Amino acid sequence: DSGVTQTPKHLITATGQRVTLRCSPRSGDLSVYWYQQSLDQGLQFLIQYYNGEERAKGNILERFSAQQFPDLHSELNLSSLELGDSALYFCASSVEPDRGRAGQETQYFGPGTRLLVL
Amino acid sequence: DQQVKQNSPSLSVQEGRISILNCDYTNSMFDYFLWYKKYPAEGPTFLISISSIKDKNEDGRFTVFLNKSAKHLSLHIVPSQPGDSAVYFCAASGANFGNEKLTFGTGTRLTIIP
Repeated sequence: DSGVTQTPKHLITATGQRVTLRCSPRSGDLSVYWYQQSLDQGLQFLIQYYNGEERAKGNILERFSAQQFPDLHSELNLSSLELGDSALYFCASSVEPDRGRAGQETQYFGPGTRLLVL
Repeated sequence: DQQVKQNSPSLSVQEGRISILNCDYTNSMFDYFLWYKKYPAEGPTFLISISSIKDKNEDGRFTVFLNKSAKHLSLHIVPSQPGDSAVYFCAASGANFGNEKLTFGTGTRLTIIP
């Protein structure tokens, strides 16, 4: 158990709909990352938040957005869903936003949310 | 553009033998490399890492080797155990201060045969 929780575990919805995925980081972790894993693909970095502020953006579509709340949990909002958005969405957390003087920060992953768009 | 490549989608190894998983990268700005292990229905779990200032890092049965000139790293598991059966992801990060996004390979499914 990594200490990172994600809800829901599974989500089935229709094209055009909007869903929200939720992530609670490990206790004490300030940085949250979102990744998408499509079929037979590696994990693709979407976005990072640190202490409530957006820190870095990756291959995130404009239809997707995220935020991190004062209690440090994060939500990933996916709208106007398409069939190709079906994937596993992982959240990860770390203490620091970057390696800085502390060296590389290990990211700890949640169990993921499996999204199926029909 | 796949900057981190794991060219073997699957690998089967006899229990007790050595498992060698390979990973190649193309971006010379990568300077930190990690291996994650993933069981079904779980998130990736950090296994071992290596900085580009080293060429080897060992942790119990797991050893990661880095060949910077070849832009290649490998994970050795000795001896292999049935519980090692999982998907292994290689990941890399670059020296872009402030951005610790990991770039992942597509994974290698390791099966340990009892």
